[in-house]
Amino acid sequence: DAGVIQSPRHEVTEMGQEVTLRCKPISGHDYLFWYRQTMMRGLELLIYFNNNVPIDDSGMPEDRFSAKMPNASFSTLKIQPSEPRDSAVYFCASRKGQNYGYTFGSGTRLTVV
Amino acid sequence: GNSVTQMEGPVTLSEEAFLTINCTYTATGYPSLFWYVQYPGEGLQLLLKATKADDKGSNKGFEATYRKETTSFHLEKGSVQVSDSAVYFCALSAISSGSARQLTFGSGTQLTVLP
Repeated sequence: DAGVIQSPRHEVTEMGQEVTLRCKPISGHDYLFWYRQTMMRGLELLIYFNNNVPIDDSGMPEDRFSAKMPNASFSTLKIQPSEPRDSAVYFCASRKGQNYGYTFGSGTRLTVV
Repeated sequence: GNSVTQMEGPVTLSEEAFLTINCTYTATGYPSLFWYVQYPGEGLQLLLKATKADDKGSNKGFEATYRKETTSFHLEKGSVQVSDSAVYFCALSAISSGSARQLTFGSGTQLTVLP
């Protein structure tokens, strides 16, 4: 099992540009979560999906952020336009059912200059 | 709402020292409790868990006991190694919005073990 795969590992972009982060969950996992990690705010849940359907997006900071899950094996988190304060490590995690543990990807370190 | 409070870091110890990282929680219902570890440049990995009161989770020499009366889940290890240097996160899983269990994390504690 390859685990949760995120790409890219690192992204540096200029303010105002569109950024797309990608995640491939573990096959068979029906929950997918997007987290953001910063020194100031720690780990924050942005949005999660169940069976490809967004369930709770209350953690998405602004309308500049959007997430999709077109199928069970792929999700994207898009920021448009990006701002320096979006710089953080973004993690994707997946889970099977309600009572199993989360598996996290290695994260995407985003730097907006 | 649900919340986790854990010991502020950073924590620096010598090899073979005893480790305690405190964690307390607030939650409605009956949460499951977790410790995750994050090594530099990597994602979070589950270290141990406990799903009900008085359960003890253990892994790799680390232990934590689910104490409902004190709403605590302190992480301990009797003899730390340099390879234990990492950030440790306490977390709880409880029913939240959308009627699904979600993880709520503490702020993390940086542990550095010196040889």
